[in-house]
Formats: sequence, structure tokens, C-alpha cells
Amino acid sequence: AQKVTQAQTEISVVEKEDVTLDCVYETRDTTYYLFWYKQPPSGELVFLIRRNSFDEQNEISGRYSWNFQKSTSSFNFTITASQVVDSAVYFCALNPGTYKYIFGTGTRLKVLA
Amino acid sequence: DGGITQSPKYLFRKEGQNVTLSCEQNLNHDAMYWYRQDPGQGLRLIYYSQIVNDFQKGDIAEGYSVSREKKESFPLTVTSAQKNPTAFYLCASSLFREQDQPQHFGDGTRLSIL
Repeated sequence: AQKVTQAQTEISVVEKEDVTLDCVYETRDTTYYLFWYKQPPSGELVFLIRRNSFDEQNEISGRYSWNFQKSTSSFNFTITASQVVDSAVYFCALNPGTYKYIFGTGTRLKVLA
Repeated sequence: DGGITQSPKYLFRKEGQNVTLSCEQNLNHDAMYWYRQDPGQGLRLIYYSQIVNDFQKGDIAEGYSVSREKKESFPLTVTSAQKNPTAFYLCASSLFREQDQPQHFGDGTRLSIL
């Protein structure tokens, strides 16, 4: 079965705190792709990062960093020094090399001033 | 600027009425998708299309219909058979032959029942 689990439904942090959003995936495919999207209150999903199954290098982009571990089937997302503008729903998604993108249920992040 | 345009932003449906949601893209993407989003849930795939004049059912196709007469356009009709249509609908597109490419999304249409 192919599945993406985001166990954290909602997280609240105070501005400047670090926060990690968890993503656990299931697939039997050896080639697959993982994505993170941000959905601000306006509604559209904004692409943040892509990672393929052969590249386990972690990535940092400004305050954002991603930790991909095949051994635990996880692709976690950390925001350092969170800001109010980071408040959104964040989705993790899996593409097992087909037409279909499988989304998790999302984590709502609230950053309080 | 290239992107995906969904219209209208808000739509109201009367009992027994069919309504059509528009989705247009100028990204020259092959594949287009329709998702439904309910509060607290992820995105559920309604229909997708890989090429013109071809489309496939997703996980929750009942009560919906689509057409793909042009590469740029993928309208979704919510029929009267869909008994619980109130939701946020998102259209997306991607380069089908490149599965490592992300999907691009429109701003969504919020559909409610009158």
C-alpha cells in the first residue's frame, strides 16, 4: 500500500521557536519522489521541495530544512526561528513514479506573535 | 506569467443543479488533475488526465465528470448525483513524463450548497 502519514494535525508555536513537521511514507517502489507543499490561507498549494528516493542528502534553504531518512521512511521538515508568515497548512506528498501523487492529511502550523 | 487559473473563486449550487468549475493552464503541462479538499483532510483525487481526449477516474469520481478537449483546459462538472459537494476544489497540472516534477496548483474554488 502507498500512504503518507502526517500524524500532527495541528501545531502551535511562539514566534522564533523551531518546529519540525513529521512525514512518514509507505511504498514498495524503489524509485519514488517526495514533496512538501505549503497551503497559506489563500488556498493554493505552493511547492517547497522535491526529493527522489536515491538522494538522501538533507537540504537547507534559508530557515527551512528537510531530513530524509529511508531507513525510517521519513521526510521531516524543520522551520528554524519560525515567523507568523509561516502559519499555514503543510502537506507532504509521495509520487511512486506514476501519474498519482499521494498526499498526507496535512499539518496546520500556527505561529503566534 | 505562467500558471493555473481556476474560476470562479466561490460557487453556490442549488439542489438538483449541475455546476462546472473551470481550470485553465498556460504551462504547457501534459497532465491535469482535480482534487477535493474537506476540512481536516488531505487532498483526494477526483479525476486526472494525461493527454487530450483522455482522462481517468481517481479515488472519488462518483458524482463528477470532466472533459479534456484542449491541452490547456480541464473543466470539472459537479453533478446532482454528488450529494455532498460542499468542499474546496483544487486543480493541478504537471509534466506527466517527468514524475519528479512537482504539481502546480490553482487558487481553488470553494463550492457551497444553497
